[in-house]
Amino acid sequence: SQTIHQWPATLVQPVGSPLSLECTVEGTSNPNLYWYRQAAGRGLQLLFYSVGIGQISSEVPQNLSASRPQDRQFILSSKKLLLSDSGFYLCAWSPGRMNTEAFFGQGTRLTVV
Amino acid sequence: AQSVAQPEDQVNVAEGNPLTVKCTYSVSGNPYLFWYVQYPNRGLQFLLKYITGDNLVKGSYGFEAEFNKSQTSFHLKKPSALVSDSALYFCAVPTGDSSYKLIFGSGTRLLVRP
Repeated sequence: SQTIHQWPATLVQPVGSPLSLECTVEGTSNPNLYWYRQAAGRGLQLLFYSVGIGQISSEVPQNLSASRPQDRQFILSSKKLLLSDSGFYLCAWSPGRMNTEAFFGQGTRLTVV
Repeated sequence: AQSVAQPEDQVNVAEGNPLTVKCTYSVSGNPYLFWYVQYPNRGLQFLLKYITGDNLVKGSYGFEAEFNKSQTSFHLKKPSALVSDSALYFCAVPTGDSSYKLIFGSGTRLLVRP
């Protein structure tokens, strides 16, 4: 069966510090991968998605970047965090075909102080 | 562009009563629609999906959803609510050129009182 791992679960970082959140998927190959951000326990904003190694699509201009160095690894990064980067970050994967459901990791609560 | 809307921020229901969480959609072509649930500080869990066929879709934890093409709705339902059903519920629709992106509604908080 497929599993998705996302870490760390919580993170407190000072303004201006770098960020690296990692997500890996097991039990499948060539998944679509996604990073979402959820602010204030409500709506989900799609930040990045990837349909293959090295293929990253950015949905909104922001202080963050994403990379996919391996088929089942998706990394969310920032060189310098802003206070507004605080939120709940969710990684997800879906099978590599259209119109399918996505499966989510447990999320990372990021607080920038 | 494809989109979904959840008109209610919160739904309150007594335990044992039926519950409905509303979702309306705007899509071109055949709709693919999904429901998810999120418990506090956790990731989203997939509940059910509509692709084609029967308008009543059954999912996890006793939930079901009714697809209504004329009303462009996909409401989530459960015949008898449990306190443990209290959570945040999202409907979603694929979008984008290749329908790889899953876009979510704003979410509805369900509170089931004992």
